[in-house]
Amino acid sequence: NAGVTQTPKFQVLKTGQSMTLQCAQDMNHNSMYWYRQDPGMGLRLIYYSASEGTTDKGEVPNGYNVSRLNKREFSLRLESAAPSQTSVYFCASILGTGGSNQPQHFGDGTRLSIL
Amino acid sequence: LAKTTQPISMDSYEGQEVNITCSHNNIATNDYITWYQQFPSQGPRFIIQGYKTKVTNEVASLFIPADRKSSTLSLPRVSLSDTAVYYCLVGPRFGAGSYQLTFGKGTKLSVIP
Repeated sequence: NAGVTQTPKFQVLKTGQSMTLQCAQDMNHNSMYWYRQDPGMGLRLIYYSASEGTTDKGEVPNGYNVSRLNKREFSLRLESAAPSQTSVYFCASILGTGGSNQPQHFGDGTRLSIL
Repeated sequence: LAKTTQPISMDSYEGQEVNITCSHNNIATNDYITWYQQFPSQGPRFIIQGYKTKVTNEVASLFIPADRKSSTLSLPRVSLSDTAVYYCLVGPRFGAGSYQLTFGKGTKLSVIP
């Protein structure tokens, strides 16, 4: 089972460039999440999608947009990348349509550097 | 949402039992307690979840006292491969406020040979 797959695994951007981070899950999960993790820090919620067709802001949404393309896929877009967005980005999914304190399944992350 | 406090780091020798405590004084009636493990360069992995008393699975045990203001993750006989960061999350599984849980800085466990 692939679980949660994130692409790409690594990316280097220049300030001002745009990029879309892809996330797909094959577990028929309903809820999906995007987090960022900075060095020595915990994970901070950027956006989430409680069910197909819905998206909501998390703790740190500024500078990002998301699309829940279908039940499997949840993408994160940086329209104009800034050095402050250098981070490791994790996607996660949950079986139910409830909240994030149900067991979350995480991808292995996308390491993004913005110069 | 309940605020959690964990030790920043812990060291343990191989073969010992490790107990990591999380304080959550303002836990709500419908809150559950969840623990995750994160290895370097990987996403967090769900370990265990509980509401009260004791929960055990093949990886760990979770002890929750009657007042639920703290919880203890117990890892039996740790090995070097248990070196990781452990996160405690407290919040509802459903309903209002259940989507905005935050992972704190966690506890960095270092297992020493």
